[in-house]
Amino acid sequence: GAVVSQHPSRVICKSGTSVKIECRSLDFQATTMFWYRQFPKQSLMLMATSNEGSKATYEQGVEKDKFLINHASLTLSTLTVTSAHPEDSSFYICSANPIVGQPQHFGDGTRLSIL
Amino acid sequence: QKEVEQDPGPLSVPEGAIVSLNCTYSNSAFQYFMWYRQYSRKGPELLMYTYSSGNKEDGRFTAQVDKSSKYISLFIRDSQPSDSATYLCAMSYNTNAGKSTFGDGTTLTVKP
Repeated sequence: GAVVSQHPSRVICKSGTSVKIECRSLDFQATTMFWYRQFPKQSLMLMATSNEGSKATYEQGVEKDKFLINHASLTLSTLTVTSAHPEDSSFYICSANPIVGQPQHFGDGTRLSIL
Repeated sequence: QKEVEQDPGPLSVPEGAIVSLNCTYSNSAFQYFMWYRQYSRKGPELLMYTYSSGNKEDGRFTAQVDKSSKYISLFIRDSQPSDSATYLCAMSYNTNAGKSTFGDGTTLTVKP
């Protein structure tokens, strides 16, 4: 069964809206979670590493003020796309490691469409 | 040059065929090697992972890693229409196996 849950699965909203995406670890605690972005027919690009109780670490070229990450508990990380515009439309996916030393497990992703 | 290069495909095979999916990489520091399967509009699902060189088998799937050649493969035996998906290779450096670097994916279609 799924070990990482992501919500919502689909968002359609107007330009200028802020959108929050939740990523939850199920039955395990995750001090670190990862946020990826995937464009059609392209691979996953890491946006940021979400750290419980501290600031997220952003990859080069990712705007911190645009993509706000909060990891307030050991089972929940949120990504907020602020003042979203059509170019922010994409597939956003989170991941976490259920077992230290083993690979990441991914959520089912959130398809964001900005009109 | 990308750190991880994956055969782009797409790949179309008849049901029952053996499928070979491949990736090459340039960074010798990678220690963990993963294969994910991604169905349309879904997140990647971990299929197999290996640490360092060698083979690993799980049912119809076999993963091979050749660190000397910086080359990894995933073989699917007796392919089924349900195997139709995009397959992503991924690699990482550390024991936490986080912050992976992904290939661009190969889309596989298995025709009944």
